[in-house]
Amino acid sequence: DAGVIQSPRHEVTEMGQEVTLRCKPISGHNSLFWYRQTMMRGLELLIYFNNNVPIDDSGMPEDRFSAKMPNASFSTLKIQPSEPRDSAVYFCASSRDREAEAFFGQGTRLTVV
Amino acid sequence: GESVGLHLPTLSVQEGDNSIINCAYSNSASDYFIWYKQESGKGPQFIIDIRSNMDKRQGQRVTVLLNKTVKHLSLQIAATQPGDSAVYFCAEGDDKIIFGKGTRLHILP
Repeated sequence: DAGVIQSPRHEVTEMGQEVTLRCKPISGHNSLFWYRQTMMRGLELLIYFNNNVPIDDSGMPEDRFSAKMPNASFSTLKIQPSEPRDSAVYFCASSRDREAEAFFGQGTRLTVV
Repeated sequence: GESVGLHLPTLSVQEGDNSIINCAYSNSASDYFIWYKQESGKGPQFIIDIRSNMDKRQGQRVTVLLNKTVKHLSLQIAATQPGDSAVYFCAEGDDKIIFGKGTRLHILP
């Protein structure tokens, strides 16, 4: 398996624009997580899905952020409109079940100017 | 509320020595703990995990110790090598995986 695949690897956008980050989890994994990493706040859990259903989105910063998982092999994280403070590395991870190790993608480095 | 924290932000260790990275957690109900390693430009990578019904688990060159009485977790790396340079995170993982702030391990030649 190729592991968790995220795209794009890098994204530079202007403030106010819509940004969509994509994730393909490992086949057979039924939990998917979106994290944001910054120097100031470390690794923050934004939202996680189990069997394609959002279970906990309490980490989503505000209404500008939304996430979907239309099927077991694809998830998106959307920011609209984007702001400079959204600049961070966004990671997607998947695991086969709860209380199991999570495998991380390479991340998307987002810069909002 | 639940939280996972680390005692030291940076740890410098001589190559060949053993490294010990510590972590404190506050949620006494947590059942599952994980250590991750993150190298520059990469996502976190699983190292070892431990469940609350255990107090020690060993892997290849790594050992995790869990002290539930004081809610403390540690990662021991034997014979530290240059390739061990990274940021190490402890995490609590029941339904969701919550990470601590991380400790940077620096290997001295």
